[in-house]
Amino acid sequence: KAGVTQTPRYLIKTRGQQVTLSCSPISGHRSVSWYQQTPGQGLQFLFEYFSETQRNKGNFPGRFSGRQFSNSRSEMNVSTLELGDSALYLCASSPVKRAGVDTQYFGPGTRLTVL
Amino acid sequence: DQQVKQNSPSLSVQEGRISILNCDYTNSMFDYFLWYKKYPAEGPTFLISISSIKDKNEDGRFTVFLNKSAKHLSLHIVPSQPGDSAVYFCAASASGSQGNLIFGKGTKLSVKP
Repeated sequence: KAGVTQTPRYLIKTRGQQVTLSCSPISGHRSVSWYQQTPGQGLQFLFEYFSETQRNKGNFPGRFSGRQFSNSRSEMNVSTLELGDSALYLCASSPVKRAGVDTQYFGPGTRLTVL
Repeated sequence: DQQVKQNSPSLSVQEGRISILNCDYTNSMFDYFLWYKKYPAEGPTFLISISSIKDKNEDGRFTVFLNKSAKHLSLHIVPSQPGDSAVYFCAASASGSQGNLIFGKGTKLSVKP
């Protein structure tokens, strides 16, 4: 099976712009979670989608949003970019065999740099 | 407040010896624990997991031990190989948490030939 794929792998944007990142989960996986990784804060949960619905959201401002399509592919959007949004954004998918307890498999990430 | 702590930022081990990576947690609601390995510029790779109903899980060279009373888990790698050199993350989740894995800050393991 192909793994989780994320596009693009690298992005450079300037402050105030917006950005959309894409994630294709492992075939058959219905849950997609997004994480932000920075040197100072480590890996932090952004949100999780299942069957096109956001089921859980981390402690991030409303500038961070996402959606999931009927084929389980997901996108996340960051509007009005700030310098502090520079990070590695990771997408993870899971099969949801048991409610709330599942192994997540990560993609390679999108490295976003905000200038 | 960090709910999952990996107190050793780095660990150096000789090839062939045992590597022991430790992780502590504070939330008693956590009932599923995972270890991931991460190379630079790549996403975390799942290694092994353990449910709170067990105290040990083994997969090849990797064994995870869970001590619920101490809220402590550890990953043992035996024997350690140079290719194991990476950053190791401990993660935890609670039933019903819906996709929210809580990660430690990671431990960088260096296995020297």
